[in-house]
Amino acid sequence: AQSVAQPEDQVNVAEGNPLTVKCTYSVSGNPYLFWYVQYPNRGLQFLLKYITGDNLVKGSYGFEAEFNKSQTSFHLKKPSALVSDSALYFCAVRDTEGYNTDKLIFGTGTRLQVFP
Amino acid sequence: DVKVTQSSRYLVKRTGEKVFLECVQDMDHENMFWYRQDPGLGLRLIYFSYDVKMKEKGDIPEGYSVSREKKERFSLILESASTNQTSMYLCASSPGISGNTIYFGEGSWLTVV
Repeated sequence: AQSVAQPEDQVNVAEGNPLTVKCTYSVSGNPYLFWYVQYPNRGLQFLLKYITGDNLVKGSYGFEAEFNKSQTSFHLKKPSALVSDSALYFCAVRDTEGYNTDKLIFGTGTRLQVFP
Repeated sequence: DVKVTQSSRYLVKRTGEKVFLECVQDMDHENMFWYRQDPGLGLRLIYFSYDVKMKEKGDIPEGYSVSREKKERFSLILESASTNQTSMYLCASSPGISGNTIYFGEGSWLTVV
């Protein structure tokens, strides 16, 4: 079965320190991977995606993610965290089964808390 | 910029009421989706539509129906609302080309009392 796992419900980091939000996936075929961010009482905003090419993907707000095929992971990273990065982060993978290949399977989300 | 608009941000409905959640996108996207978001469960797909009048069930369609009479509009219908349908509902759209980004609306918070 296709799935996405975000093993940490919450990640705490001090402002200025590097941050990592973990994601692993299980999918048949080539994975299309996505990260979204959700601020309180808002919808999801697209951060970045991996389709093909360079394993290191750069996205919005200084975030980047590294695709690792052997470890089936797509961890989200930022070199220096900001308090304003505090939000709920979702990893997602394209559903490769069935006709419509735009459907995404989401992880359960990781809450990032950046402390001043 | 892509804009997905959910007309109602906050709704309170009574058990047994019929509820309509409306969503409009302005980018001529082929695909539209309705997801439900609950703490600890992430986002779960209720229904999606890949063309006008075309729809397919997602992972949790029970208790819901949808309507897509025009390309830009996708409605989620709760025929008889129940308290376990209290949740955040997110509409989304995408161009329909594999690998393209899905864009989300701001969400509709539904409370059923």
